[in-house]
This record gives sequence, C-alpha cells and structure tokens, in this order.
Amino acid sequence: DSGVTQTPKHLITATGQRVTLRCSPRSGDLSVYWYQQSLDQGLQFLIQYYNGEERAKGNILERFSAQQFPDLHSELNLSSLELGDSALYFCASSFGQGAGVDTEAFFGQGTRLTVV
Amino acid sequence: AQSVAQPEDQVNVAEGNPLTVKCTYSVSGNPYLFWYVQYPNRGLQFLLKYITGDNLVKGSYGFEAEFNKSQTSFHLKKPSALVSDSALYFCAVRDGAGGSQGNLIFGKGTKLSVKP
Repeated sequence: DSGVTQTPKHLITATGQRVTLRCSPRSGDLSVYWYQQSLDQGLQFLIQYYNGEERAKGNILERFSAQQFPDLHSELNLSSLELGDSALYFCASSFGQGAGVDTEAFFGQGTRLTVV
Repeated sequence: AQSVAQPEDQVNVAEGNPLTVKCTYSVSGNPYLFWYVQYPNRGLQFLLKYITGDNLVKGSYGFEAEFNKSQTSFHLKKPSALVSDSALYFCAVRDGAGGSQGNLIFGKGTKLSVKP
C-alpha cells in the first residue's frame, strides 16, 4: 500500500458529462501529481500542485482542471467528456517537508474512467 | 527538455535467465532517474533510483540498475528472472525545470514477459 488513496476506483459516464476524481496524498506529502494513462498515449503528466499552488502543467486539456485544498487532498475535474478521455487516471504524491530531489513519487491505484 | 526513451516495447525472457530492460535519458544538468513497475490493474510501484554516487543501484525485488553517464543509459537488470516479474516497467527522469520539486517524466514503458 503506497499510502495514496484515489476515489472512485471506477467511473462510467456519458459523453458531455463532468466528473471529479479525488486524491488523498501520503501523510506529510506536499506535492500531488496527476497522470493519465491510455493505451495509445502512454503515461502522460497532466498537472502538479505543491502545498496548494500549481507547480507544473503538462498535457492537460482546457476541459480539465485541478486543485489542491488546504488539507492537501486534490481533485481533478474533467468536463465535456469525450470518448477519448477514457483512461486510467493516476494521482501520485511526494515531497514531505525537507524532501529533496532524490525523493520518489508514490502512486495511487488509479481511477479507471470509461466514457460511453 | 528532459526525456527518457525505452527502445523496446516488449522483452521476453525465460525464467531463471538474466533480464535487462533498457532506458536512455536526455537531461540538462544532473540526472535524477527512477524505475517503476506496474502490475495489471495496479498503480506504479517504485523500484529504485539514481541520484548520485555508485553507478550500480540496488532496489526492490532483486532488481538493480546501472547508470552509465557516457552512454546516457540507466538499464534495469535482474540476474535471475521470475515469472512473477512479468509486468510493465517504466523509466522516469525528474524534470529539472521544476526545480527540486519537479514532476517525473516517464518513458512509454516496456512490457516484460517471463516464461516458465
């Protein structure tokens, strides 16, 4: 168990809808990352938050947004969903206080999103 | 920009034989390199990392990786493969542009298949 919790584990929704994925990082970790894993695109970095602030942005669509709350949990919001958004969405966390560049990231089990 | 490449989509080995999963990297500055493993329907699990020091890094489950600066490679190895090692393996590099809290950039993954 990595200590990173993602909910829900599975989500099936229709095109055009909006969903929210939730991530609770490891206790003490300040950084949260979101990744999308699909068969054709591999593991794509979406966005990173560090202690409540956006730190880095990857290949995140404008229809997608995220935030990190004061208690450090994070939510990824996906709107106007399309069939191509079906994928496994991972959250990872790292960097407790005092951590450095040698710190690895710990991944949750993922949320499998199916858009029908 | 930082990047990693995994030149093989799949590696097949017989149980008991040594295995190598290849990774090459491209970074500006010091490379911070990681290997992760993903079992079916699971999140990514950290195996090992290279930050500095000894070029041979030992990790979980008997895996090790050899850092080679002149060849810009960080190949994952195991002396004797097990059927249970069959999984998807990802090489990753820390994005130096993000500073010490940079996100991880992943290769496209290599599927390892170990046959009895």
